[in-house]
Amino acid sequence: DGGITQSPKYLFRKEGQNVTLSCEQNLNHDAMYWYRQDPGQGLRLIYYSQIVNDFQKGDIAEGYSVSREKKESFPLTVTSAQKNPTAFYLCASSPLRQGGQPQHFGDGTRLSIL
Amino acid sequence: KNQVEQSPQSLIILEGKNCTLQCNYTVSPFSNLRWYKQDTGRGPVSLTIMTFSENTKSNGRYTATLDADTKQSSLHITASQLSDSASYICVVSGDFGYGQNFVFGPGTRLSVLP
Repeated sequence: DGGITQSPKYLFRKEGQNVTLSCEQNLNHDAMYWYRQDPGQGLRLIYYSQIVNDFQKGDIAEGYSVSREKKESFPLTVTSAQKNPTAFYLCASSPLRQGGQPQHFGDGTRLSIL
Repeated sequence: KNQVEQSPQSLIILEGKNCTLQCNYTVSPFSNLRWYKQDTGRGPVSLTIMTFSENTKSNGRYTATLDADTKQSSLHITASQLSDSASYICVVSGDFGYGQNFVFGPGTRLSVLP
């Protein structure tokens, strides 16, 4: 079955440490997205990519970095510059013809600070 | 400012009862509106999507309505089941750029009790 796989499901970060969240899709979607979800708030866009080797900042990109070396993969690195990283992180993908509306989401990675 | 508001914030109903969730938005220009269901610890799953010209869309026991004039949408759940317990997220897509053209509401948390 096609879908989006995020790993790990739970992740803990120490002070000053960078951590990388994995997102892989086998839906052949061109566009991929990273969101952050905090309690009581709507999803907020961190980064998005429409094509391999290209990505754009979203509303809350500070303290995060991404890469898009393959169509199937869009890893997110939470750097030590992100002072409040505790959240639920969701990766999504969509075909370009859907006008940018995310179609499929992964099951998320919950990041906490040790 | 483009915003999506949802009400109520949370709702508790008994199994078998109906309920209606509300979504108000100020996103302009409007492209489409989608309702997602998000189970705890999982990614959102799309329920319905409506464009400007559609005022109702059904998916099984879920019926979404849209009034583009008043910028309001509702999601009606009929004969609720325990598995309907989840957060329901309203997402409005605008036509003002590709990657950042959607605004997420904070969600309504529905609990269905036996």
